[in-house]
Formats: sequence, structure tokens, C-alpha cells
Amino acid sequence: EAQVTQNPRYLITVTGKKLTVTCSQNMNHEYMSWYRQDPGLGLRQIYYSMNVEVTDKGDVPEGYKVSRKEKRNFPLILESPSPNQTSLYFCASRQGARETQYFGPGTRLLVL
Amino acid sequence: GEDVEQSLFLSVREGDSSVINCTYTDSSSTYLYWYKQEPGAGLQLLTYIFSNMDMKQDQRLTVLLNKKDKHLSLRIADTQTGDSAIYFCAVLNQAGTALIFGKGTTLSVSS
Repeated sequence: EAQVTQNPRYLITVTGKKLTVTCSQNMNHEYMSWYRQDPGLGLRQIYYSMNVEVTDKGDVPEGYKVSRKEKRNFPLILESPSPNQTSLYFCASRQGARETQYFGPGTRLLVL
Repeated sequence: GEDVEQSLFLSVREGDSSVINCTYTDSSSTYLYWYKQEPGAGLQLLTYIFSNMDMKQDQRLTVLLNKKDKHLSLRIADTQTGDSAIYFCAVLNQAGTALIFGKGTTLSVSS
């Protein structure tokens, strides 16, 4: 089944403790993105990647890092999480720039 | 930059039609989408339309695009309680690197 998977689905952590949210897609898509969803703000893009080793900032990249060492994986790294990064995070992928984007199930993060 | 606006709430009775509206700012937007999010769930792609189309119908869903007014709408015919969810309008940005989302419209369907 074609899908985008994220792990973990739920995470509670404390300020400053580094964490990684993994994202994997099995559709051989070139484009991958991370978004965060906050109440009243909709979804905003954090980072995106157009191919292996090619990443760039989205609208809200501060406090986040990403890497794209393999085509299927696009982890989101929070080196020193802060409470304002408490959010619902979505990974997404698509084949090309103009193709339909598919979203993962979301990771709900709480930073205390 | 690109901006997408939606009304925040819509309440309808079961069996009625629902119309969710969206406006966007970038007239060069070529790909426009509607996503559905049920409580506690992820984003489900409902339908999409390209800018060279005025209308697209898919079963109970009808999408209308008015490029002149930069207005997109989603009509749900015979709305059911299972349609209760948040509906997001999204447009692909000019660079093709990101979807720009509206804040979402919460649809409440009463029986």
C-alpha cells in the first residue's frame, strides 16, 4: 500500500532534550516536506526537499533541522525543543513539483 | 506572499448542501486542493482542480473555480453527519515548493 509513515505518532518530551521524528514514503517520490499545524493557523511548511541531499527552508524553519540521505526518508530533528514547538507535525511527499501531495498520519508533540 | 482565506465555521443540517468558500491571492496559482481532517486524524485529499478548469465534480463533491475573483468553493451535496470535519483549502505556491493552506473551515452537521 502506497503510504507515508511517521514515527512516533505521539511524543511528550521536556525542553532541551533532542528528538527526531522519522518520515518514510514507499512511493519513490522525489519531493518531501514537513508541515506543522497549530490551532487557528492552519498548516505551515517547515522544510522541504526536492531530492536526495537537496533541502531548503520553508516558512517556519527556526528550531528545526532535516536531512535527506535516502530518497524514502526525511527525518525532522529538534536539537533543543522548546514549548513553542508543541504542535501537530505532518510529513508529506509527492512525485514532482506539480503532483498531488500525500500526507502522513501526523505526530503530536508536546514539549514541557 | 501567497495567502489563502477561509471562513472558520459552517453549520448545516443533515441532507442539506454545504458550501465552503476559499479565496487566494496569487493569480498564478495553478493547482488548488481540498483536504479533509477528521478529529484526531491526518489529512485526507478530497479533490483538486487545475487552473485551466472551472468546475470539477466527483460524486457528492463539486469544486468551482473563479479565476477572475480568485475564489474556490467546495460543495458537498446531501451532507451527512460523517462529513463533520475541518476542511482545508490549499494552493500550490508559484515556485512549486509548498502548499499554502487556509486556516480551515469546521463543518458541523446536525441530524
